[in-house]
Amino acid sequence: GENVEQHPSTLSVQEGDSAVIKCTYSDSASNYFPWYKQELGKGPQLIIDIRSNVGEKKDQRIAVTLNKTAKHFSLHITETQPEDSAVYFCAAGHRDDKIIFGKGTRLHILP
Amino acid sequence: DGGITQSPKYLFRKEGQNVTLSCEQNLNHDAMYWYRQDPGQGLRLIYYSQIVNDFQKGDIAEGYSVSREKKESFPLTVTSAQKNPTAFYLCASSGGRNNEQFFGPGTRLTVL
Repeated sequence: GENVEQHPSTLSVQEGDSAVIKCTYSDSASNYFPWYKQELGKGPQLIIDIRSNVGEKKDQRIAVTLNKTAKHFSLHITETQPEDSAVYFCAAGHRDDKIIFGKGTRLHILP
Repeated sequence: DGGITQSPKYLFRKEGQNVTLSCEQNLNHDAMYWYRQDPGQGLRLIYYSQIVNDFQKGDIAEGYSVSREKKESFPLTVTSAQKNPTAFYLCASSGGRNNEQFFGPGTRLTVL
């Protein structure tokens, strides 16, 4: 089955700098790669996703890249702000079926 | 939280008791999911259901049971057979044009 590895587990960046979180997956048949943001005590919220037919997707300060050959995908947050502090999860799978989550990255934005 | 409700937010039970966690959605989604979240473990799939009256085991189904009698509801029972039930439980549903998963606010279960 699918296995998703996520790095780093903790990341601290200065406010205004960029943050990058990386994930690898094992199942070459996976075609859907969502990213979720979870604030303390709440359920995760989808922030961006990418399908396997594109290599990059951007939404304002957030971008995701996908390298299907290497089976890795990354989340990029530019011009970080205090409200970006949260736990971020990557996932991989099939859009019409279950998805497997990484273990999460706790992002701290330093003032 | 996208039209998904979970109740209660906090739940305390004595060891050896079964407990049922509620999950309701008004998004008209076909698929529903239960995940367990532990510190440093991410989200692990317990059970999922792609249609009414049908469900499949996820990666950690032992000690749990579910039912899907109505499209809107997917209750999870944590049985006394679950060896370490204290955790944060998240319900999700998916459907619609993009089929992305929407999560509820979660239930924190503590077994004393």
